[in-house]
Amino acid sequence: GESVGLHLPTLSVQEGDNSIINCAYSNSASDYFIWYKQESGKGPQFIIDIRSNMDKRQGQRVTVLLNKTVKHLSLQIAATQPGDSAVYFCAADAEGPGSARQLTFGSGTQLTVLP
Amino acid sequence: DVKVTQSSRYLVKRTGEKVFLECVQDMDHENMFWYRQDPGLGLRLIYFSYDVKMKEKGDIPEGYSVSREKKERFSLILESASTNQTSMYLCASSFTGNYNEQFFGPGTRLTVL
Repeated sequence: GESVGLHLPTLSVQEGDNSIINCAYSNSASDYFIWYKQESGKGPQFIIDIRSNMDKRQGQRVTVLLNKTVKHLSLQIAATQPGDSAVYFCAADAEGPGSARQLTFGSGTQLTVLP
Repeated sequence: DVKVTQSSRYLVKRTGEKVFLECVQDMDHENMFWYRQDPGLGLRLIYFSYDVKMKEKGDIPEGYSVSREKKERFSLILESASTNQTSMYLCASSFTGNYNEQFFGPGTRLTVL
């Protein structure tokens, strides 16, 4: 089955610097990927997604890069702010029964923004 | 504003009790999911449902059952709670089809004593 792993369980960055969070997946049939942000005491919230026919997608201060050759994706956060402190998960999709798409999640990277 | 709600934020139960966790979504989503979240293990899928009265086992279904009698409601049942079921439980929902994100509820922190 699919496995998804994050490279670092924790990451500390200075406020104002850029953050890069990495993720690897195993199933080459996965064609949709999502990054979620989870703040303490809350459920995961959607940040940005990317389809497998794209290499890069940009949002507001966030960019996701997808390298299908090595099955790797990354989340870049520009000008990291204190409010960005959270756990970040990547997820890769797979087909399930009844046309339901399942997501396999990585274990998460705790991002801490230092003043 | 789209919303997934869970019946309790915090719950404390005793070993052997039957526990019900309720989840309701107001987005008319076909699919609903129950995950548990433990430190270092990420989100693990317990059960999911792609239609009313339909259910499928996820990666860790042992010790759990589910019920989906209405489209908007998906219940997770612990028939006889055990201490190793102490965890954060997250419900999510999504539309059927490709490229659809899952929307999550706030989670229920369950402690089994």
